[in-house]
Amino acid sequence: EDKVVQSPLSLVVHEGDTVTLNCSYEVTNFRSLLWYKQEKKAPTFLFMLTSSGIEKKSGRLSSILDKKELSSILNITATQTGDSAIYLCAFLQGGSEKLVFGKGTKLTVNP
Amino acid sequence: NAGVTQTPKFRILKIGQSMTLQCTQDMNHNYMYWYRQDPGMGLKLIYYSVGAGITDKGEVPNGYNVSRSTTEDFPLRLELAAPSQTSVYFCASSYLPQATNEKLFFGSGTQLSVL
Repeated sequence: EDKVVQSPLSLVVHEGDTVTLNCSYEVTNFRSLLWYKQEKKAPTFLFMLTSSGIEKKSGRLSSILDKKELSSILNITATQTGDSAIYLCAFLQGGSEKLVFGKGTKLTVNP
Repeated sequence: NAGVTQTPKFRILKIGQSMTLQCTQDMNHNYMYWYRQDPGMGLKLIYYSVGAGITDKGEVPNGYNVSRSTTEDFPLRLELAAPSQTSVYFCASSYLPQATNEKLFFGSGTQLSVL
């Protein structure tokens, strides 16, 4: 069965810390991996990764895919309280519109 | 900019009741999706549609029905509500297939409790 496993499930840090969130997947016919940030309500898109080893960056956030290890990491540097959220990882199967989500990592950034 | 609009925001149902969750988007998106999110869990795809008149099952379709008579609207129907359907429901849309378009646009969600 295709699945996505995120770790840790929960993380508490102080402002200014750097965090690394992990996502591993087992899937047939992998197409791409996506990261979303979910604060109070709807998830908002962060990154889509298709090629291994190419880092995508947006401000203090960056992400990279390792197809050999079937995993991806999301890095957040110099964390701020506004980064507190649930971070969701999902993969998209080739030839499908079905996104399969992990359970998410709940990040809490304390002042 | 309305985007994806879901109604209602909150609803409490009794077991066996039926209801329709409404979703409409004004971005002329072809692709629309319904997800549910249980506490502490990721989103699970219920149904999706690739265009008016075309729908398909996702991961967890049992207990739900959908229709797509227009490009804008994608309602989700619960016929006989069960406690297991207590969840937060998200509607989402995209113009192109997710494989080519990076972003899904999500509605703000409907919190449904079945008691």
